[in-house]
Amino acid sequence: EVQLVETGGGLVQPGRSLRLSCTASGFTFRDHAMHWVRLAPGKGLEWVSGISWDFGSIDYADSVRGRFTISRDNGKNSLYLQMDSLRPEDTAFYYCTKSGGYNRNYPLDFWGQGTLVTVSS
Amino acid sequence: EIVLTQSPGTLSLSPGEGATLSCRASQSVVSNYLAWYQQRPGQAPRLLIYGASNRATGIPDRFSGSGSGTDFTLAISRLEPEDVAVYYCQQYGSPLTFGGGTKVEIK
Repeated sequence: EVQLVETGGGLVQPGRSLRLSCTASGFTFRDHAMHWVRLAPGKGLEWVSGISWDFGSIDYADSVRGRFTISRDNGKNSLYLQMDSLRPEDTAFYYCTKSGGYNRNYPLDFWGQGTLVTVSS
Repeated sequence: EIVLTQSPGTLSLSPGEGATLSCRASQSVVSNYLAWYQQRPGQAPRLLIYGASNRATGIPDRFSGSGSGTDFTLAISRLEPEDVAVYYCQQYGSPLTFGGGTKVEIK
């Protein structure tokens, strides 16, 4: 059974940092691209960042480029999102998602339950 | 970046009726890299349709996708209470983008 478990969310002040983690199981993690997608209050889904199976391709949404860093550890079946210089508009549920294949050109065929990040003073 | 526009914003229908959701892209979607997702209240999204018309594993045949190029449709037949959700289209070219969503309500 595929499982994606996100941790690391919480309340943080504007300008501070937070690191999200996602632990995967039930599939061969190293064979799949992975993405972070967020859902802000009252808004729709927004893709945040993605990383290919071999780290060769990394993409960011314009809204987070230069502030967020995605990474993965295939030996630990884990995906990470380092979020720096956080802004109130980054407040959202952050979902770890599994790509159906090794790069970005596959649908997101499994989603974690999400972790809530609240940026507020 | 491809912008996806979904319509209508909200759809309110009776149980047993059919629903038609639209997704229009600002430019042609490469290789029909178009997916639909369902997000029920309080739950994570799940994949319904990929490649514009292929049902994901475990998705009932009441859900069907069609379209190509810039115009895509998700059809839901025989609406059930469990279909209450927000439905999103997404293109998985580069970069990935989502539509704004269509909320389906049951009268």
